[in-house]
Amino acid sequence: EAQVTQNPRYLITVTGKKLTVTCSQNMNHEYMSWYRQDPGLGLRQIYYSMNVEVTDKGDVPEGYKVSRKEKRNFPLILESPSPNQTSLYFCASSFDRENQPQHFGDGTRLSIL
Amino acid sequence: AQSVTQLGSHVSVSEGALVLLRCNYSSSVPPYLFWYVQYPNQGLQLLLKYTTGATLVKGINGFEAEFKKSETSFHLTKPSAHMSDAAEYFCAVRNTGGFKTIFGAGTRLFVKA
Repeated sequence: EAQVTQNPRYLITVTGKKLTVTCSQNMNHEYMSWYRQDPGLGLRQIYYSMNVEVTDKGDVPEGYKVSRKEKRNFPLILESPSPNQTSLYFCASSFDRENQPQHFGDGTRLSIL
Repeated sequence: AQSVTQLGSHVSVSEGALVLLRCNYSSSVPPYLFWYVQYPNQGLQLLLKYTTGATLVKGINGFEAEFKKSETSFHLTKPSAHMSDAAEYFCAVRNTGGFKTIFGAGTRLFVKA
C-alpha cells in the first residue's frame, strides 16, 4: 500500500529537549516536504526536499532542521524545542513535478511544555 | 508573493443542499491549483487538481471546481451535500517552476441533517 508514515503520532516533551520526527514514503517520490498546521493559519511549509541531499527552506524554517540522506526518508529535527513549536505536523511526498499532488502522512501532534 | 484566500472559516449546509467553498489566489502566472480534504485525525487527501486544459475539473466524491483566470478563483462545489462530507477543506497553489506550496487557512464544512 502506498503511504507516508510518520512517527511518533503524538509526543509531549519539554523545552530544550532535542527531538526527531521521522517520515518515510514507499512510493519512490523525489519530492518531500514538512508542514505545520495551526488553527486559522492552514498549513505552512517548513522545509522541502527535491531529492537526496537537496533541501530548501519553506516559509517557517526557524527552529527546525531536516536531512535527506535516503530517498525514502525525510526526518524533521527540533534541536531545542520551544512552546511556540507546539503544533500538528505533516509530512508529504510527491513525484518531482509541480503539477503532482502530494500524499500526506497522518500527522504528528507535538506538545512542547 | 503568492497567497491563497479561503472565504469563510466555517460553512454550514443542510444535507442535500449545494456546497460552495470559495478560494481565491494571487499569482503572477496561472498556477497549479489543488483542493484537499482533511477528516478528523487524518492527513490531507487530494480531492481534485487543475493543471492545464479544461477549466472545470471533476474530483472524487462528487466534487468539482472551476478555474476562472479572470477572477483568480478556484471555487469548490458539490450539488448535494452528504453527512460524510463534513470535514475541513484546503485550497492550495503551486507555481510553475517552483516547489513551494501555499495553502489557504481552510474551511470547515458542517452538514446538518
